Amino acid sequence: NAGVTQTPKFRVLKTGQSMTLLCAQDMNHEYMYWYRQDPGMGLRLIHYSVGEGTTAKGEVPDGYNVSRLKKQNFLLGLESAAPSQTSVYFCASSNASRLAGTYYEQYFGPGTRLTVT
Amino acid sequence: AQSVTQLGSHVSVSEGALVLLRCNYSSSVPPYLFWYVQYPNQGLQLLLKYTSAATLVKGINGFEAEFKKSETSFHLTKPSAHMSDAAEYFCAVKPRGLFGNEKLTFGTGTRLTIIP
Repeated sequence: NAGVTQTPKFRVLKTGQSMTLLCAQDMNHEYMYWYRQDPGMGLRLIHYSVGEGTTAKGEVPDGYNVSRLKKQNFLLGLESAAPSQTSVYFCASSNASRLAGTYYEQYFGPGTRLTVT
Repeated sequence: AQSVTQLGSHVSVSEGALVLLRCNYSSSVPPYLFWYVQYPNQGLQLLLKYTSAATLVKGINGFEAEFKKSETSFHLTKPSAHMSDAAEYFCAVKPRGLFGNEKLTFGTGTRLTIIP
């Protein structure tokens, strides 16, 4: 199993350009997540999905859109990139947590380093 | 809202010395607590988790953490540091009693350096 993979690994954008980050998982997980990691701020949740065809906002959703057309893929889009979106982006997936008090480990991809100039 | 505070953004220890990484949480009800590790240029990996009555939790690679309700702490320790432990470590919290892994909140991280 490849686990969680992310494409691309690196990208440089100019302000105003758009791009899509692709996340794929082969573990048949229901839940998928997009985080951004910035120095001194840890990981912050951008958007997440609890199943195919569903998406929801996380802590810092502004400037991003997502889609989950297939269970194994979760796409993160930047319609008009801004320098404030320079960050490392991580995708993660997990089994469904539908019972109160349960937790299933999140499996992370290797990250995408995005620079917006 | 629940939060975690990691004291010390950088910690350096000598090889073979004790590793102690600090994490304190803020919550009126003890939450679930986790430690994740991130090796250079990689994603995060779960080290250990506290979700039950056992307050001393053992994880991978010889790490363990003790939940102390009176101190609202969940510090990570390892008796003898190894060069391969050099990484960034994140404490995370999830409210007890709620379903949904999206409720995980991460601390700001502690970068551990091992001195040969």
